Amino acid sequence: SAVISQKPSRDICQRGTSLTIQCQVDSQVTMMFWYRQQPGQSLTLIATANQGSEATYESGFVIDKFPISRPNLTFSTLTVSNMSPEDSSIYLCSALELSKDEQYFGPGTRLTVT
Amino acid sequence: QKEVEQNSGPLSVPEGAIASLNCTYSDRGSQSFFWYRQYSGKSPELIMSIYSNGDKEDGRFTAQLNKASQYVSLLIRDSQPSDSATYLCAVNTGFQKLVFGTGTRLLVSP
Repeated sequence: SAVISQKPSRDICQRGTSLTIQCQVDSQVTMMFWYRQQPGQSLTLIATANQGSEATYESGFVIDKFPISRPNLTFSTLTVSNMSPEDSSIYLCSALELSKDEQYFGPGTRLTVT
Repeated sequence: QKEVEQNSGPLSVPEGAIASLNCTYSDRGSQSFFWYRQYSGKSPELIMSIYSNGDKEDGRFTAQLNKASQYVSLLIRDSQPSDSATYLCAVNTGFQKLVFGTGTRLLVSP
């Protein structure tokens, strides 16, 4: 399976600032996704990162708050903008390998907003 | 709203026993189903996928799917303490988008 890395692994940020999370896959993948896992909760899909075009956001998530880029087949970024303590969460990227229907997850970025 | 339901547990089983984890889903049109294992502080790890009605076996793990009843289950044979984790059921609701259940916490005691 594809190996996925994320940077940073964790961060503590102040309210009102922004953080950009990077996701790198070691092989070409068809689709990349961003999820959020709030404390004690399950995973919620934020958006599908589309290569070369705007991301597709799920209900409740907007581009102004979570801008996403995917400049090529192996790299994507998620920015959490104008952060509040409610944004404290683990952010995970996932990737779907070519010709497979299975998603694999990166190690996650643990974000704490103070 | 498409939903995936799991019993949050904890499900406690002794070492060597069979652990049975269940999941129901609301979207009758779903076609692919997944079980992920998540250790505390770690990201989800894919352990099984299933697409057709019936059983699919992989080592100590067996996934079972019944589309008519809209449930998916995971059996873990010869449970080990290292199997203690949260097991997440995920359903592909279209365009490869996964909806996750809240997870079942499994505790295997030595």
